[in-house]
Amino acid sequence: GENVEQHPSTLSVQEGDSAVIKCTYSDSASNYFPWYKQELGKRPQLIIDIRSNVGEKKDQRIAVTLNKTAKHFSLHITETQPEDSAVYFCAARNAGNMLTFGGGTRLMVKP
Amino acid sequence: NAGVTQTPKFQVLKTGQSMTLQCAQDMNHNSMYWYRQDPGMGLRLIYYSASEGTTDKGEVPNGYNVSRLNKREFSLRLESAAPSQTSVYFCATGDRGRFEQYFGPGTRLTVT
Repeated sequence: GENVEQHPSTLSVQEGDSAVIKCTYSDSASNYFPWYKQELGKRPQLIIDIRSNVGEKKDQRIAVTLNKTAKHFSLHITETQPEDSAVYFCAARNAGNMLTFGGGTRLMVKP
Repeated sequence: NAGVTQTPKFQVLKTGQSMTLQCAQDMNHNSMYWYRQDPGMGLRLIYYSASEGTTDKGEVPNGYNVSRLNKREFSLRLESAAPSQTSVYFCATGDRGRFEQYFGPGTRLTVT
C-alpha cells in the first residue's frame, strides 16, 4: 500500500520567515496531494491541494509543489505569522480513493 | 448548515464495553470515512463508504464495524473496546468526482 513520509517532525521559525515541509510517497499511481492544518484540539482543515497533472499551486502565502518523477511534494509558507503555528499533515490519494497521511509537522512561529 | 457532525464529543469506556460513534453530514456528499488519530501521529483510515449501501476496509479495520445507514449517516461500532482503541476518531466526507475530504470535529475516546 501507499506509504507517506513527512519531514521535519518539528519546525521552529521566526515570524516573517518562510517554512518548508516535505513529503515523499511510494505509490506512483497516487494522483491527489492535499495539505491539512490542525490546531490543538481541532479538526484537520484542508488548506491547499494539488493534483498529479499540475506541478505547482499557490494561494496567497501558501504554495505546494509536486515532483512526480521523484515522488515528493512540498508545502511552502511565506511571511509566517504566529497564527500559522499548528500541526500540518500531508496526504496522498491512491487509485482506490483512499488518503494516506504523513506523520505530521509541528510548526512553531516565534513572534 | 452544520457540515459534518459527530456524537459524542467525549467518551470513556471500560475494556470489553461496546459503543457506537455517530457521524452525520448535510453536505449531500456521497463518500464518508472514519479515521483514527493517535497522539502525535497522523490519521489512519479505518473504514470508508464510497456511496450509500457500500462499505470497505481501510488501513486499520480490526476491532471495528461500520454501517452506512443512509446518505447522511455513517456509524462506527466498537463491539468489545480495548485500551489500544484509545484515540481521537474523525469522520470525513467527500463529494463524487472530487477528491477533497472534509472532517468532523472528532470524538475523543478513552478505554481504561
